Amino acid sequence: NAGVTQTPKFRILKIGQSMTLQCTQDMNHNYMYWYRQDPGMGLKLIYYSVGAGITDKGEVPNGYNVSRSTTEDFPLRLELAAPSQTSVYFCASSATKGGSGEKLFFGSGTQLSVL
Amino acid sequence: AQKVTQAQTEISVVEKEDVTLDCVYETRDTTYYLFWYKQPPSGELVFLIRRNSFDEQNEISGRYSWNFQKSTSSFNFTITASQVVDSAVYFCALSDFYSGGGADGLTFGKGTHLIIQP
Repeated sequence: NAGVTQTPKFRILKIGQSMTLQCTQDMNHNYMYWYRQDPGMGLKLIYYSVGAGITDKGEVPNGYNVSRSTTEDFPLRLELAAPSQTSVYFCASSATKGGSGEKLFFGSGTQLSVL
Repeated sequence: AQKVTQAQTEISVVEKEDVTLDCVYETRDTTYYLFWYKQPPSGELVFLIRRNSFDEQNEISGRYSWNFQKSTSSFNFTITASQVVDSAVYFCALSDFYSGGGADGLTFGKGTHLIIQP
């Protein structure tokens, strides 16, 4: 099983550029999430989705946008990249709400640098 | 409010030593879940264990064991006879059933970087 697949693995952006981080899962999970991981800071939730067509903000949504047109895909869009968005980004999915004790399946991450 | 504290930023031990990673949590709810995730150098987070607030039994899986104590709000993780392959960042996380931020309802600690030297 492929699980959760993220692309690209690495990317360097210039300030003001835009890009989309791709995420797809093949487990038919309804819940999907985007996190960012800053050094020594753990993971912070950016956006999440509870199903196709439904998304909502997490703890740190500013500067990002998401869409969920299918169950499988949950792309994260960065508009007008800023140095503060330099981070490692993780996509994750779960069958039901994480808060109900469901474990999350994570992608391998995207390391993004904004210079 | 939920909070997870992993006070050990980095631990370095020599192979075959036992090592314990500490996790202390805060929650006002009586129903909650605790998790440990491993992040090896490859980057992907891997689920290790889940424990609900009503189950205080300790768990052992091979060289790994977990000690859950509600009296001290701790969920510590011990690796016995550590190996180089155990080198990773380990995250403790708390999930509150009734609330919590976002659909994930998860609060992560900042992680402990474990280095096992050969």
